[in-house]
Amino acid sequence: NAGVTQTPKFRVLKTGQSMTLLCAQDMNHEYMYWYRQDPGMGLRLIHYSVGEGTTAKGEVPDGYNVSRLKKQNFLLGLESAAPSQTSVYFCASSSEGVWNQPQHFGDGTRLSIL
Amino acid sequence: AQTVTQSQPEMSVQEAETVTLSCTYDTSESDYYLFWYKQPPSRQMILVIRQEAYKQQNATENRFSVNFQKAAKSFSLKISDSQLGDAAMYFCAYRSAGDYKLSFGAGTTVTVRA
Repeated sequence: NAGVTQTPKFRVLKTGQSMTLLCAQDMNHEYMYWYRQDPGMGLRLIHYSVGEGTTAKGEVPDGYNVSRLKKQNFLLGLESAAPSQTSVYFCASSSEGVWNQPQHFGDGTRLSIL
Repeated sequence: AQTVTQSQPEMSVQEAETVTLSCTYDTSESDYYLFWYKQPPSRQMILVIRQEAYKQQNATENRFSVNFQKAAKSFSLKISDSQLGDAAMYFCAYRSAGDYKLSFGAGTTVTVRA
């Protein structure tokens, strides 16, 4: 069972470069999320999607864009990377309307911006 | 956004002993869900246990149990008979009923001494 798959697992960028992180889930979940994890701060929500073609801002959306063209995929883009975006990024997905069900997480992407 | 507070950055426990991790949260909602996630060095986010606010009975999953005090807005996790494999960072998370998003605490790192 693949669950939630994130690509790539590691990446080093230079300031100003752009890149896209890919998240794919095979559980037919409606909801998908992107988080960033920084030391001492837990996970913070960047953007989320409640269905194909929809996106919404989370707690820390600045500097990021997202797209959900297909139900199973949720892309996170950095148009002009900054050192402050050095972090571990997690994608998650969950079922629609089943509020006690947990979010299922990918294994994370460690991103370093030099 | 709801605030979730984990006041213990680090906890250490002897193998086979018991450790309790604290979590408090701030909400005006009456219907919500609480989760504990485990993050080992592999970075995976693994659901440990969940609690529905409308249930008075504390949730239990094998060696893991919670002490849910709704009036005090407290949700502590007890790990009994600690094992070396329990060493990880543990995150408390809150989700309001009808909301898609999780709010995470900053995490508690648990070290298990052999």
